[in-house]
Amino acid sequence: DIQLTQSPSTLSASVGDRVTITCRASQIISGWLAWYQQKPGKAPKLLIYMVSSLESGVPSRFSGSGSGTEFTLTISGLQPDDFATYYCQHYNYCFGPGTRVDLK
Amino acid sequence: EVQLVESGGGLVQPGGSLRLSCAASGFTFKNSWMSWVRQAPGKGLEWVANIKGDGSEKSYVDSVEGRFTISRDNAKNSLYLQMNSLRAEDTAIYYCVRNERWGQGTLVTVSS
Repeated sequence: DIQLTQSPSTLSASVGDRVTITCRASQIISGWLAWYQQKPGKAPKLLIYMVSSLESGVPSRFSGSGSGTEFTLTISGLQPDDFATYYCQHYNYCFGPGTRVDLK
Repeated sequence: EVQLVESGGGLVQPGGSLRLSCAASGFTFKNSWMSWVRQAPGKGLEWVANIKGDGSEKSYVDSVEGRFTISRDNAKNSLYLQMNSLRAEDTAIYYCVRNERWGQGTLVTVSS
């Protein structure tokens, strides 16, 4: 079974910081990876699909990259609205455990 | 535009059953892998089950194996999740998902 891990599990950062979250798969998953942002009490919000495609309406400070088994979500210039939990997902299958981004 | 609309959630007693439905539109349903995802209160996202476009392949997370059954009716563009022997820990919002596109979710509460 494919499993996803995320690092770090928690990230403390300041407004304006460049933030990188890593998602690693136990097997090659090609391009079938998405990233979501979730805030307490809200449904997950799609940020990135197919590894690096930015969802419509999502700010360009969010970007995704990677291949094979290692993928990254980068936030270039963290904004106050970005403090949330971030999940990666292998399409129609498993999720990473999440990375919480909080204020340093 | 992909649209996924779930229904069938509600309050059920432990040991009871519930059937969730998902009406799909905006894409070629019969060619698409589909899945159910859930999120329990205060917990992370959990993949529950998936099914191949023609229904020939299905898989489940260990915690629901033998209790939940995923199915589909391609003539009706619909996905289903039959949930039996429900437990308190099955309480969650259940989402119908196609790749990266999600429905709005339906709440299942298992409680006496």
